[in-house]
Amino acid sequence: DAKTTQPPSMDCAEGRAANLPCNHSTISGNEYVYWYRQIHSQGPQYIIHGLKNNETNEMASLIITEDRKSSTLILPHATLRDTAVYYCIVAGNFNKFYFGSGTKLNVKP
Amino acid sequence: GAVVSQHPSWVICKSGTSVKIECRSLDFQATTMFWYRQFPKQSLMLMATSNEGSKATYEQGVEKDKFLINHASLTLSTLTVTSAHPEDSSFYICSGEGQGGNQPQHFGDGTRLSIL
Repeated sequence: DAKTTQPPSMDCAEGRAANLPCNHSTISGNEYVYWYRQIHSQGPQYIIHGLKNNETNEMASLIITEDRKSSTLILPHATLRDTAVYYCIVAGNFNKFYFGSGTKLNVKP
Repeated sequence: GAVVSQHPSWVICKSGTSVKIECRSLDFQATTMFWYRQFPKQSLMLMATSNEGSKATYEQGVEKDKFLINHASLTLSTLTVTSAHPEDSSFYICSGEGQGGNQPQHFGDGTRLSIL
C-alpha cells in the first residue's frame, strides 16, 4: 500500500512556482522519497529523489522536513508542459514502488 | 539519462490468445525490473518484481500463471499475458532499476493491451 498522501489536484499559473506537498508520516529511516510525473498515456518520468537533505536538479527542488514526515516538490517556473499527475513515493531497500493517487497539476496560461 | 524501451506500444488481440510484452534497458544494466498495470483514471499498481536469473515475485492477488515473467538478461524482461480475456485489457508499464542501492526506477512508455 502507498505510504504517501497528496492533494488530488492543484492549479498553478504559468511562470509561477508550483509547490506540490506530500505527507509520508510513517516513513522509515532507510526509505527514500521519490518524485515522478506522468503525462497522459505515457510512462512515469523520474524527477528527483532524496533521503533527508534537500535536493535540486535541472527539473526541480525537493524539500524534506527535518522529521522527514513530509516533503515538497518545487517546480520553479511552471510551464504548460508541466501539466501532469505528480506522484510522491516512499521506498526502501527492495525499492518496490507503491503508487498513491498523486496530484493532478494544472498549469494555466 | 537511463532509457527503458517497451514493445509493443499498442496491441489488440482476440480473447484466448497470449501476448508477450518486452521491456529493455537500453543504456544501463537493470538487475531488477518491475511490472505495473494501470487501469483508466487509476494509479499504477505493482504486479511483480523480477531479478535477472531468478524467479519473479508477485504481489498479492496477481496470478503468476496468468502473467508469466522472464528476466533472462540484465537488459531484457518479458511479460506474457496468457490466455488473455477482456478483463486483462489495461496499460502495462515496466521499469528498470540500475545497480547499486536506492536507485530511481526508469519507466518504459507502456503497452496498451486491448482484448476483444
